Amino acid sequence: NAGVTQTPKFQVLKTGQSMTLQCAQDMNHEYMSWYRQDPGMGLRLIHYSVGAGITDQGEVPNGYNVSRSTTEDFPLRLLSAAPSQTSVYFCASRNEGSGAGVSDTQYFGPGTRLTVL
Amino acid sequence: AQSVTQLDSQVPVFEEAPVELRCNYSSSVSVYLFWYVQYPNQGLQLLLKYLSGSTLVKGINGFEAEFNKSQTSFHLRKPSVHISDTAEYFCAVGLLSGNTGKLIFGQGTTLQVKP
Repeated sequence: NAGVTQTPKFQVLKTGQSMTLQCAQDMNHEYMSWYRQDPGMGLRLIHYSVGAGITDQGEVPNGYNVSRSTTEDFPLRLLSAAPSQTSVYFCASRNEGSGAGVSDTQYFGPGTRLTVL
Repeated sequence: AQSVTQLDSQVPVFEEAPVELRCNYSSSVSVYLFWYVQYPNQGLQLLLKYLSGSTLVKGINGFEAEFNKSQTSFHLRKPSVHISDTAEYFCAVGLLSGNTGKLIFGQGTTLQVKP
């Protein structure tokens, strides 16, 4: 298994540009999520999904959109990039269907480092 | 509201010395507790977790943590650190209530192991 993969690894955008961060997992996990990591602030949840066709907002959703058309993929879209969105973005997944829910291990991708100029 | 506080942003320690990384949480409902480790330029990986039962939890790479309900703490310890333990460590709580479980992370503690 490749686990959780993210592309690209690095990206530089200009203010106002849009882009999509890709995330895929091959573990058949129902739950997928996006976090952003900023110095001194830990990881903050942007959006999450408990299965195909179901998404919900986390604590910092503004400026981001998500969709979940398949179990494997969970792309994150930046609609109009702003310098405040400069961050490292992590995608994660876990097995929700076992009933373990949040007690189950969450698997993280390697991250995408985004800079918005 | 739930929150997680990691009391030290950086912990420098010499190789083979013991270390403790402190974590306190606040929650009005029952939670699960986790420690994740992030090595340089990598994603996070699970170090250990407390779900129930024994309050002393052993994880990978010789780390252990103790859940103290009265003090709402979940401190991480290792009796003898190695250079390879240099990384950022995150404490997290998993909420049991609500329509789905979410993880809330602390701010992170950078462990710097010196030779």
